[in-house]
Amino acid sequence: EVQLVESGGGLVQPGGSLRLSCAASGFTVSSNYMSWVRQAPGRGLEWVSIIYSGDSTYYADSVKGRFSISRHNSKNTLYLQMNNLRPQDTAVYYCARSAGGAASNFDYWGQGTLVTVSS
Amino acid sequence: SYVLTQPPSVSVAPGKTARISCGGNNIGSKSVHWYQQKPGQAPVLVIYYDIDRPSGIPERFSGSNSGNTATLTISRVEAGDEADYHCQVWDSPSDHWVFGGGTKLTVL
Repeated sequence: EVQLVESGGGLVQPGGSLRLSCAASGFTVSSNYMSWVRQAPGRGLEWVSIIYSGDSTYYADSVKGRFSISRHNSKNTLYLQMNNLRPQDTAVYYCARSAGGAASNFDYWGQGTLVTVSS
Repeated sequence: SYVLTQPPSVSVAPGKTARISCGGNNIGSKSVHWYQQKPGQAPVLVIYYDIDRPSGIPERFSGSNSGNTATLTISRVEAGDEADYHCQVWDSPSDHWVFGGGTKLTVL
């Protein structure tokens, strides 16, 4: 059974850092396209970042230069390193798996982890 | 950057048909995916590649995509369909995913 479990969220001050983890089971993270998507309170979904099975990475303009997506193959885990956090980064962060290539739908999502940026 | 526009809300009586639009420049040339999200839960795929339904999604859910508008149609709406619905496309020139702002479906 495919499962994605996020962790690492919490309260952080503006300018601080946080690393989110997404532990996967039932499939191999490195063989799939994996994304991070966030949802600010009361708002819609916002795509944050994607890592290809071939290691290419891409970021939304709102986080480029501050966030970094990566994976640990032996731990079968996806990460999102978030630096220089801003109050507008406050959101529930989801990891999601693409069903196929880059343009394919997300077929599995984690339950989300809440990040709150506030002093 | 590519922009998707959804109406913030749609209301429909039980048993009637709900149509949720997703507008974008020449969106008909892209593949659109739709997700349903209930409060406190992760999104769930309801339509992929414009018209396909995942297993377990009722036939009442259907999709279309042409020109500058993609549409999610929910026939014979039930109280359990009340949720937020999000459209999604891949913007290949930028290698970015794009989501619409989401539409809250209210069943009257």
